[in-house]
Amino acid sequence: AQSVTQPDIHITVSEGASLELRCNYSYGATPYLFWYVQSPGQGLQLLLKYFSGDTLVQGIKGFEAEFKRSQSSFNLRKPSVHWSDAAEYFCAVGPNQGGKLIFGQGTELSVKP
Amino acid sequence: GAVVSQHPSWVICKSGTSVKIECRSLDFQATTMFWYRQFPKQSLMLMATSNEGSKATYEQGVEKDKFLINHASLTLSTLTVTSAHPEDSSFYICSANEGLAGYLSSYNEQFFGPGTRLTVL
Repeated sequence: AQSVTQPDIHITVSEGASLELRCNYSYGATPYLFWYVQSPGQGLQLLLKYFSGDTLVQGIKGFEAEFKRSQSSFNLRKPSVHWSDAAEYFCAVGPNQGGKLIFGQGTELSVKP
Repeated sequence: GAVVSQHPSWVICKSGTSVKIECRSLDFQATTMFWYRQFPKQSLMLMATSNEGSKATYEQGVEKDKFLINHASLTLSTLTVTSAHPEDSSFYICSANEGLAGYLSSYNEQFFGPGTRLTVL
């Protein structure tokens, strides 16, 4: 079955520290992979996406993610976290039938001053 | 980038009434729109896929008669929660695919609306 797993429900990091959010997927075909960020009470904003090509993907707000097919992973990284990065982060894989996305459970990021 | 709006951003209604939520693609034509439901501290649950001019496709377990979806034009889809009850209180988010004219792609990126907070008293 197709699925996305984000093993960490909640992560706390200090401002200025590096960040890595984990995402593992199970998908039969070549996946399209996405990371979204959601601030409280808001919709989702796309951080970055991987369709093909270079497995290291650069996104907005200084985020990057690396697709590792052998590990079925697409971890999100940022070298230096800012307080404004505190939010919920969702990993997603697609396309499923009809172009649908499958979302992970989300990881809540808290940033300590 | 492509912009998707939702209206209203929040709504409070009495139990037994119906509520309509609009989802609009502001600067592109959306051949497909998706409706999600999100409970606090949880992920997005896909409710249905809406294609312009045809009936929506509902996910397993979603009541078609309770959550009426209409996609009357390439820029507007509506979700009507009929006879709402407190358990329908949730955050509803729509997304839209930007179809590329003359280009057949296995996937078009989804753009998400800001969400609608529904509270049923």
